[in-house]
Amino acid sequence: DQQVKQNSPSLSVQEGRISILNCDYTNSMFDYFLWYKKYPAEGPTFLISISSIKDKNEDGRFTVFLNKSAKHLSLHIVPSQPGDSAVYFCAASVGAGSYQLTFGKGTKLSVIP
Amino acid sequence: DAGVTQSPTHLIKTRGQQVTLRCSPKSGHDTVSWYQQALGQGPQFIFQYYEEEERQRGNFPDRFSGHQFPNYSSELNVNALLLGDSALYLCASSFRGLANEKLFFGSGTQLSVL
Repeated sequence: DQQVKQNSPSLSVQEGRISILNCDYTNSMFDYFLWYKKYPAEGPTFLISISSIKDKNEDGRFTVFLNKSAKHLSLHIVPSQPGDSAVYFCAASVGAGSYQLTFGKGTKLSVIP
Repeated sequence: DAGVTQSPTHLIKTRGQQVTLRCSPKSGHDTVSWYQQALGQGPQFIFQYYEEEERQRGNFPDRFSGHQFPNYSSELNVNALLLGDSALYLCASSFRGLANEKLFFGSGTQLSVL
């Protein structure tokens, strides 16, 4: 039973346009959400997070939106750059201090120059 | 400042064998977590070590065990290997008490079980 779902295995976007990556979750206990980026042959790198008490968090070109009623979150990248091409994982946890993250399967983003 | 280092980078074993993977946390970190990433899947939490004890455990059988040493480095042991154990094994370190964004991952050990 997959508690964190990323239904789009891949996404292609033109450089300079917006990239929107989606994530759905089923476990109502999740109250902290994160996005990680992974390049080939490297470990995942933390990108941005959001607590369930917020509905938006921004960090430079990256914004995460959380819709608790729909159990849905999305990552917006504006503008997209070729260096953003990577696999993006959505992750969730119960409590911000938990080390037990539940990951989705990832979305491979390709930004075309 | 070295990040999280894992060894070996690649490993090939046969069914029924035992394997030990190693992890050195980022300097200043005292907590180590292990994740398994099967092909086409996201990382799955195995367990977390702090103060040389297993503190949290995911849904993995007892064949998976670990250890943390006084210098905070850690080992992951898998006994009686199955074909399904083939995966990328990721180690992540952090400093206890900080939020999840302080999880730093290593590049992983790719284990192939034949």
